[in-house]
This record gives sequence, C-alpha cells and structure tokens, in this order.
Amino acid sequence: AQKITQTQPGMFVQEKEAVTLDCTYDTSDPSYGLFWYKQPSSGEMIFLIYQGSYDQQNATEGRYSLNFQKARKSANLVISASQLGDSAMYFCAMSTGQNFVFGPGTRLSVLP
Amino acid sequence: DAGVIQSPRHEVTEMGQEVTLRCKPISGHNSLFWYRQTMMRGLELLIYFNNNVPIDDSGMPEDRFSAKMPNASFSTLKIQPSEPRDSAVYFCATTGGFNSPLHFGNGTRLTVT
Repeated sequence: AQKITQTQPGMFVQEKEAVTLDCTYDTSDPSYGLFWYKQPSSGEMIFLIYQGSYDQQNATEGRYSLNFQKARKSANLVISASQLGDSAMYFCAMSTGQNFVFGPGTRLSVLP
Repeated sequence: DAGVIQSPRHEVTEMGQEVTLRCKPISGHNSLFWYRQTMMRGLELLIYFNNNVPIDDSGMPEDRFSAKMPNASFSTLKIQPSEPRDSAVYFCATTGGFNSPLHFGNGTRLTVT
C-alpha cells in the first residue's frame, strides 16, 4: 500500500530564512511521482513542484526545491527566502499510476 | 483554460436532505478524483474515475454516498440522506496522467445542520 508521512504538524520560520518541510513515502512501485501542494487559508489547493522517481536531478521551481533521496524514500520541500505569503498548509502527495495519496500536511507559519 | 469547475461553492442543508455536488473537469483530463477534507481526517480520497469508469470507490464512506461520471465533461457526487457528520469541504481534482499534477477545483463547502 502507498503511504505518505509528514511528521511535522506545524513549523515556524523567520521571514527571509529557508525552511525544509519533511516528507517520507512508502511504495513498492518502481515508477511513481511526488508532488507538493500549498493550501492557504482561502482553501484552494495550489500545485508547487513535481519529482519523478526516475529523475536524476532534484526538481526546482523558483524558490521551491525538492530534496529527493530515493534510497531513504524522502522528498523534502525546501522553501528559500520565506515570505509572509508562504504561511499555509503544505501537503506532500504521491502517485503510482493507480492512485494519488496525500500526507496529513504541515502548517507553516512565517514570522515577520 | 477555466480549470476544474465545482458547484456550488457553498451548500447548507438540513439533515436528511439530498445533496448533489457537481464537477466539470479540465478538457482532456481523463482521470477525476473526489476528495473530502475535514480538520479531523485531513484529505480523504472518496472515489476516482479513469476514462469515466469508476476505478476505486473504497473511500466512499457508506451507501449514502454515490458518484457518477456520465461523460468526460461532468461528474456528480450525491449524498442521500445527508447527515451532520458529512459537513466538510469536497474537492474535485483532475489530471491528464499520473505523472502530471492533480488540478483541484475550488471545492464545495457543505454544512449539514
């Protein structure tokens, strides 16, 4: 069975600092995709970044990067230069060709 | 591209009433998912369709819930009869493939009194 674990229910970071949100996954499928989503207080789900299981390089999108460690089955999200607008819930998700599974989320609060 | 369109945005109903939530997927997306989000249980997958065919409905809570996808451009999630514990935000999300991101609608906030 596929499973996503996010062990940090809440995180605080000072504005302009970098922060890492943890995600570990479990699957027996050799082919899978890993995703991060942001959910601000307004409620919409915003796609941030994608990493394929066969990708050799870590994905980056602007201030977001994904630290993919396949052997450890981890896919941590790194946000550089945090902004007040980054305060939100962040969800890690995995697809395996059969399903999309989401983790419980991490609430990030950026402090001024 | 208008994105995934859900209606209504908000629904308030009394216990025992039938509720129908609607979703229009992005054109060309062949997989459609219904999720329910609550504070207690987070994001729960209820059911998903591939090419209009239900693939996995193991997340549907009970017989009061049903979902249909009569064609590639429309899906419904029905709750009959509704109960207060069904109060949640219901998301529809679609994708063109499992290595592509899910695109979410804005959700329907359901309140059952």
